[in-house]
Amino acid sequence: DGGITQSPKYLFRKEGQNVTLSCEQNLNHDAMYWYRQDPGQGLRLIYYSQIVNDFQKGDIAEGYSVSREKKESFPLTVTSAQKNPTAFYLCASTGGAAGIVTGELFFGEGSRLTVL
Amino acid sequence: AQKITQTQPGMFVQEKEAVTLDCTYDTSDQSYGLFWYKQPSSGEMIFLIYQGSYDEQNATEGRYSLNFQKARKSANLVISASQLGDSAMYFCAMTSLEAGGTSYGKLTFGQGTILTVHP
Repeated sequence: DGGITQSPKYLFRKEGQNVTLSCEQNLNHDAMYWYRQDPGQGLRLIYYSQIVNDFQKGDIAEGYSVSREKKESFPLTVTSAQKNPTAFYLCASTGGAAGIVTGELFFGEGSRLTVL
Repeated sequence: AQKITQTQPGMFVQEKEAVTLDCTYDTSDQSYGLFWYKQPSSGEMIFLIYQGSYDEQNATEGRYSLNFQKARKSANLVISASQLGDSAMYFCAMTSLEAGGTSYGKLTFGQGTILTVHP
């Protein structure tokens, strides 16, 4: 079945360590996104990529990095520079690098990161 | 800048009854899209319904309808005939649409409303 796979579902990290969250999609979508969700809050955009080898900062990019070497993959690295990384991270994708009609996002099941 | 406000932290409804979840928005854009997503306790985000700012008719998708009042900048979600499986967090979101009605998936989300359906 087509969809978005995020791994790991749960991740624990010690302070000062970088961690990478995986996001893979087989929907043949051009655009991919990373959102962060804190308890009781809505989602905030971290980074997005509309086409391979290109990505843009979202509203809260500081302390994060991404790469887009393949259409199917958009990994997110949470660096030690991120002051408060404990959160739920959601990856999403949508079709059409030039934009799509409605903007509907397809989401993965999320990765929950806890910093000890 | 865009802003979404959901003023109901939690809502309760009896099974089989209808419920309205409120959403107001603020934007200076002339063309925009409005969304509702459902987030069950498992965490995934499920797309429910979409309304474009130039759509004259309110969007409907099965038991979901969007009560779009452009002048009041509101986009309330109406769920008819509530089911126990509707218990979840519900998010209202919006995006700015480029000329031609396209979007880049950069959504602004509200803080959500937790809906609990009682048997």
